[in-house]
Amino acid sequence: EDKVVQSPLSLVVHEGDTVTLNCSYEVTNFRSLLWYKQEKKAPTFLFMLTSSGIEKKSGRLSSILDKKELFSILNITATQTGDSAVYLCAESGGSNYKLTFGKGTLLTVNP
Amino acid sequence: NAGVTQTPKFQVLKTGQSMTLQCAQDMNHEYMSWYRQDPGMGLRLIHYSVGAGITDQGEVPNGYNVSRSTTEDFPLRLLSAAPSQTSVYFCASRESGANVLTFGAGSRLTVL
Repeated sequence: EDKVVQSPLSLVVHEGDTVTLNCSYEVTNFRSLLWYKQEKKAPTFLFMLTSSGIEKKSGRLSSILDKKELFSILNITATQTGDSAVYLCAESGGSNYKLTFGKGTLLTVNP
Repeated sequence: NAGVTQTPKFQVLKTGQSMTLQCAQDMNHEYMSWYRQDPGMGLRLIHYSVGAGITDQGEVPNGYNVSRSTTEDFPLRLLSAAPSQTSVYFCASRESGANVLTFGAGSRLTVL
């Protein structure tokens, strides 16, 4: 069965800190790895990674995939209180390319 | 463009009652799915559909039924609600062959 494991499960930092969120996966028929941000409502899409070693970047957020070691990281630099959220990692694979989610990382950024 | 619309947003049920969570999308997406989210558990797939007339089970299908008579609608039915079904439910859809899911706003269900 496909499995997605995120670490840490929760993290508390101060504004301005840099954080790294981890996601490891085991999947058959891998197609892509996705990151979502969830702030007390529906998850919103951040990144999709399909190729190993290519960094995706959006402002202070960036992500990279290692298909050989089966993991991805999400980096957030110069964190702000608005970055406080649950960050979800999901892999698309298996039959019908269903999205399987990890349990998420709860990030709290204190002023 | 409304995207994915879920109703109701909130519902309280008594054990044994039945209800249907509605999901509609106006993006002509072939793939639709239902997830439940519980504290510390992430999102778990209940049922999904790859097109009208086709449904399949996800990770946690027990206690839930679905049907897909049209491309637009994918209702989730609870035939006899149990307290273990207290959760937040998300409907999500995507284009056929795509990876990115678009989520509805969620429906918070409490079963007493």
